[in-house]
Amino acid sequence: KQEVTQIPAALSVPEGENLVLNCSFTDSAIYNLQWFRQDPGKGLTSLLLIQSSQREQTSGRLNASLDKSSGRSTLYIAASQPGDSATYLCAVPALIQGAQKLVFGQGTRLTINP
Amino acid sequence: DAGVIQSPRHEVTEMGQEVTLRCKPISGHDYLFWYRQTMMRGLELLIYFNNNVPIDDSGMPEDRFSAKMPNASFSTLKIQPSEPRDSAVYFCASSLATRAQYFGPGTRLTVL
Repeated sequence: KQEVTQIPAALSVPEGENLVLNCSFTDSAIYNLQWFRQDPGKGLTSLLLIQSSQREQTSGRLNASLDKSSGRSTLYIAASQPGDSATYLCAVPALIQGAQKLVFGQGTRLTINP
Repeated sequence: DAGVIQSPRHEVTEMGQEVTLRCKPISGHDYLFWYRQTMMRGLELLIYFNNNVPIDDSGMPEDRFSAKMPNASFSTLKIQPSEPRDSAVYFCASSLATRAQYFGPGTRLTVL
């Protein structure tokens, strides 16, 4: 059974810092990994999707990496801004025939202090 | 381009009442998902459809929960009868094949 863990559960940093969020998964037989952002009281916004054949994916100040063999992914945020404050979740498809069944981590609650 | 649309955004009901949540996926997407989010259990997949056909409903907690997708642009999640432990935020999401999933704003359900 696929399990996803995100560390730390919460992170608070001053504005302008570069930071890394971590995601680990127990079953490395995945074909993609997705990072989401969730603002309080809102739905999830897809940030990046990394295919298993890729090692990293970039969008603006965000860079996500994937190491399948070690069961890890990181989300790097450069030059953090107060608007980056949100909960960040990673998700991988569970290893079943219906490969679309996403398993989510519990998220990292990020606070960027002005 | 409209995203995933859910209604209602908030629902407050009394225990024992029937609750129906609605979802309109992004046009052209062939997968539709229903999730539930609580503080204790996080995000859980309840059921998903491919081309309007239910593929996996193993996450549906009990027979009190049912979901339908009568056409490519509409789906419902029904709880009958509702119980206080069903209180949660229910999300609908859609995707095209195995590409990224896009989530709706959610329905916050409170069962008194």
